[in-house]
Amino acid sequence: QLQLQESGPGLVKPSETLSLTCTVSGGSISSSSYYWGWIRQPPGKGLEWIGSIYYSGSTYYNPSLKSRVTISVDTSKNQFSLKLSSVTAADTAVYYCARHIDYYGSGALRSDWFDPWGQGTLVTVSS
Amino acid sequence: QSVLTQPPSVSAAPGQKVTISCSGSSSNIGNNYVSWYQQLPGTAPKLLIYDNNKRPSGIPDRFSGSKSGTSATLGITGLQTGDEADYYCGTWDSSLSAGVFGGGTQLTVL
Repeated sequence: QLQLQESGPGLVKPSETLSLTCTVSGGSISSSSYYWGWIRQPPGKGLEWIGSIYYSGSTYYNPSLKSRVTISVDTSKNQFSLKLSSVTAADTAVYYCARHIDYYGSGALRSDWFDPWGQGTLVTVSS
Repeated sequence: QSVLTQPPSVSAAPGQKVTISCSGSSSNIGNNYVSWYQQLPGTAPKLLIYDNNKRPSGIPDRFSGSKSGTSATLGITGLQTGDEADYYCGTWDSSLSAGVFGGGTQLTVL
């Protein structure tokens, strides 16, 4: 059974860089069928997709965060990581990692979904 | 403000049926597949529906999804108190080149 687990500091100072790692167990991150993604949820608010990475290192990011986001992968450790620079209080959120399935179906309609998700980790931006 | 619009809350009695709507546009729901997630209090989201109406293994057939034009609907029959949760729709937005979610709907089983 595939499981994902986020890890990293729970407190980051404003203007610094948030760094999180997602460890995948029960399956290989090098599977050719999947991307691996990061999603966040500010307290009491909805979900926001941050970006995703393929095992080869190919990435794509939410344009609203692209200038501050870097996602990388370490296949030897079955991990992928998130870095978010120049953080502010608005970046305070629960950060989730998840397997990201995306493909084009019939009629060239795109399918995107996330399953499974990690348990999430709360990152607070505060001095 | 979310790209996809969901009602903030819905409620129904145990055993009854409820539907949750998700409204978008031609750049997202209208031309891409929709997924639905259940987030129980204090837990991570869980995939309920993908490709508009497909259920992953282990999801009971009390949960169903449909899509028409630029809107999608999640249906839950035989409501149980354990269904009380926040529900989110999601899809790809071709104009934004980003995955997008609805603002979430809180389901109360009275």
